Amino acid sequence: NAGVTQTPKFQVLKTGQSMTLQCAQDMNHEYMSWYRQDPGMGLRLIHYSVGAGITDQGEVPNGYNVSRSTTEDFPLRLLSAAPSQTSVYFCASSYLGQGLNQPQHFGDGTRLSIL
Amino acid sequence: QKEVEQDPGPLSVPEGAIVSLNCTYSNSAFQYFMWYRQYSRKGPELLMYTYSSGNKEDGRFTAQVDKSSKYISLFIRDSQPSDSATYLCAMSEISGTYKYIFGTGTRLKVLA
Repeated sequence: NAGVTQTPKFQVLKTGQSMTLQCAQDMNHEYMSWYRQDPGMGLRLIHYSVGAGITDQGEVPNGYNVSRSTTEDFPLRLLSAAPSQTSVYFCASSYLGQGLNQPQHFGDGTRLSIL
Repeated sequence: QKEVEQDPGPLSVPEGAIVSLNCTYSNSAFQYFMWYRQYSRKGPELLMYTYSSGNKEDGRFTAQVDKSSKYISLFIRDSQPSDSATYLCAMSEISGTYKYIFGTGTRLKVLA
């Protein structure tokens, strides 16, 4: 049981480049989410999904796109990378639990630097 | 004002001490409270969660929620050097929004 797997672990991009951060979970969780973690800011929600085909914006969605075609995968796309998107990105997942928010399981993050 | 406030520390204590970590919040709709531990260069790991006011104990860890004061605490008894990490509180409404708000984290160092 791998839990939540994020790839790559590290990435350096140039301004304007695009890339996709991958997230996969093997726990059959309905809920998946993406956060960014910056010093002094804590974890901030970018986008989330409550099931295949359903996504919604979080607190800081600008510059990021997501899609959810399967229960297992929830990729995060940076369309045109900017230095302000330098951060550590975490993917998390949980059951939905009949309307009750459930504890989230996190991956180990992707460290992204935009030059 | 942030919805969730958490002292960033760092907090240094000797091995065996009782550690108290705290968060305050402003949104009275929060009903679900979590504590995560995060080691350096790792993802957050869930320690405890609760839906209600009062205390919840799990081994050396006790989570306390005071909804009237909008204040939550995590106590660590008999602290160990392996407890050295950043501790994050997180909160959400019970249902409907699916949005979790995290504190900025408190960095704890337990000295051997």
